[in-house]
Amino acid sequence: SYELTQPPSVSVSPGQTARITCSGDALPKKYAYWYQQKSGQAPVLVIYEDTKRPSGIPERISGSSSGTMATLTISGAQVEDEGDYYCYSTDSSGHHWVFGGGTKLTVL
Amino acid sequence: EVQLVESGGGLVQPGGSLRLSCAASGFTFSNFWMCWLRQAPGRGPEWVANIKEDGSETYYVDSVKGRFTISRDNAKNSLFLQMDSLRAEDTAVYYCAKDGAWGQGTLVTVSS
Repeated sequence: SYELTQPPSVSVSPGQTARITCSGDALPKKYAYWYQQKSGQAPVLVIYEDTKRPSGIPERISGSSSGTMATLTISGAQVEDEGDYYCYSTDSSGHHWVFGGGTKLTVL
Repeated sequence: EVQLVESGGGLVQPGGSLRLSCAASGFTFSNFWMCWLRQAPGRGPEWVANIKEDGSETYYVDSVKGRFTISRDNAKNSLFLQMDSLRAEDTAVYYCAKDGAWGQGTLVTVSS
């Protein structure tokens, strides 16, 4: 079955840039979506269709995709950005969706 | 504003059944694919199933294929998930979702 691979953890100091990667064979042709989940809360969409930001999501959060890798970038990371981040996409058929394993972002 | 409200969760014994419902509002329900997602305690979210706008196509994650059935009633703006032969590993909060919008979730606990 299709898999999306993320690093288990990323750690940065406040104000630094955090980059979280997601690799998958179908990503050259399929969009990536990114969710942020804070402790005890439901996931929140922060990036859709590789690069688009829903309303209310700060501009310091951005997305990009190249080849088999999608990247979530948080510029000037803040303590409030801590949480788990999941990429989400579909296999080459477009019908079976999968989440990446998640990346725990620590800002301290 | 998109609103998705799930119901039907609860405690069920292994091998039992539950039917989840999702009431949708704030958008033209019949124009969108819909899906069910779940998140087990302490784990990441998982896509469970999705259904085409008119219900003519459905897809499932391998672990629920043959046990779960997704369906919809466009006249009532409702999405359903019939869950049969439930297992302990199906214990999770189940979410109804449209694109990036999720409901608040309903907890399903499978335990004897």
